[in-house]
Amino acid sequence: DTEVTQTPKHLVMGMTNKKSLKCEQHMGHRAMYWYKQKAKKPPELMFVYSYEKLSINESVPSRFSPECPNSSLLNLHLHALQPEDSALYLCASSLSGEWGGRETQYFGPGTRLLVL
Amino acid sequence: SQQGEEDPQALSIQEGENATMNCSYKTSINNLQWYRQNSGRGLVHLILIRSNEREKHSGRLRVTLDTSKKSSSLLITASRAADTASYFCANEEGFKTIFGAGTRLFVKA
Repeated sequence: DTEVTQTPKHLVMGMTNKKSLKCEQHMGHRAMYWYKQKAKKPPELMFVYSYEKLSINESVPSRFSPECPNSSLLNLHLHALQPEDSALYLCASSLSGEWGGRETQYFGPGTRLLVL
Repeated sequence: SQQGEEDPQALSIQEGENATMNCSYKTSINNLQWYRQNSGRGLVHLILIRSNEREKHSGRLRVTLDTSKKSSSLLITASRAADTASYFCANEEGFKTIFGAGTRLFVKA
């Protein structure tokens, strides 16, 4: 299985809602990533988990809360978001995260989030 | 901030033509990768070229790397309508992957 899955595919939420994005991979990868991508822009790194520990947090606002329950699952909990948080949220995984940016990443299809 | 700068930002060609995209980066690298993204979907890894390699091929893809100029190019030969996508170079910055601004390629049938 060489697939990274993400649910939901689309999400519309109000600024007072709490929602979660889910990402799953069964490739035995030990590093998982969250990226945010605005239209016509490259992906921007948000968080990196390596061996279920948060290794990188790119100064992301606390209204985004990542969670890695096990090596196959990665969640992104959303609370009190702003309209400017509307974007495509991409999950990715790689072998270990020990080699950082040298590792090939495998991406999920993304969750398109709209904050009203 | 994004390290990689890519040009052109957008490219429109006819099916069968070749497409060349360029990428420049700022820091020294161990490798450089190219990814493709179809509209609104996830990225797909295309090819990785190591810093000690100058050229690499994969099917219709040819990637070159010039570490003295801190630049790389991706050539797609005999393009097809299905090649329509955004193409990103990606290099490392410590433990992070930094994506270039991307080139949007449109191949007309």
